[in-house]
Amino acid sequence: DIRMTQSPASLSASLGETVNIECLASEDIYSDLAWYQQKPGKSPQLLIYNANSLQNGVPSRFSGSGSGTQYSLKINSLQSEDVATYFCQQYNNYPLTFGSGTKLEIK
Amino acid sequence: EVQLVESGGGLVKPGASLKLSCVASGFTFSDYWMSWVRQTPGKTMEWIGDIKYDGSYTNYAPSLKNRFTISRDNAKSTLYLQMSNVRSEDTATYYCTRGTTGIPEGWFAYWGQGTLVTVSS
Repeated sequence: DIRMTQSPASLSASLGETVNIECLASEDIYSDLAWYQQKPGKSPQLLIYNANSLQNGVPSRFSGSGSGTQYSLKINSLQSEDVATYFCQQYNNYPLTFGSGTKLEIK
Repeated sequence: EVQLVESGGGLVKPGASLKLSCVASGFTFSDYWMSWVRQTPGKTMEWIGDIKYDGSYTNYAPSLKNRFTISRDNAKSTLYLQMSNVRSEDTATYYCTRGTTGIPEGWFAYWGQGTLVTVSS
């Protein structure tokens, strides 16, 4: 199985700041990576697929980058509604696997 | 509007069986691969498996393959997850998911609201 190591586990940032969340795959996943946002008490929502493609309806302050084994999610100009847990997921190989999540809070 | 509505969760004893359902609407169900994903109380996400649009092919997480079975009834636009010999570690919220297009891209663009399964004696 491909192991997805996500960091940090939690993050506190101020409104308007830029934050970065990292995801490291145990092997090359060739940009087959998605990012999800899960707000408290809600189902996950797709933000990014193919490492850097923004899902329809997702604000442009979210962006994804990376290649090989290293990927990141960037949130520009942090808003209060961005409080959530963020997960990465690889789909290069079965079984599909997720990172352990990053809980983002407002400072 | 795509809607996925899971049901069938609840409190179940270790060793028992349980069948979850997911009723889909807002799209042509028979055109899409579908998946199940679960999330533990500690928030760990785990892909369970997926099923081809006509039900002829399935993939499973190796750790669950012997106890979980995914099936579908396209006439009823319903996806199923049969769970057998459940264990305490199966306690989780179970989500029905779908990709963007009919092919299995690998990401999950649509999620149901989830159904909670609690395994306890």
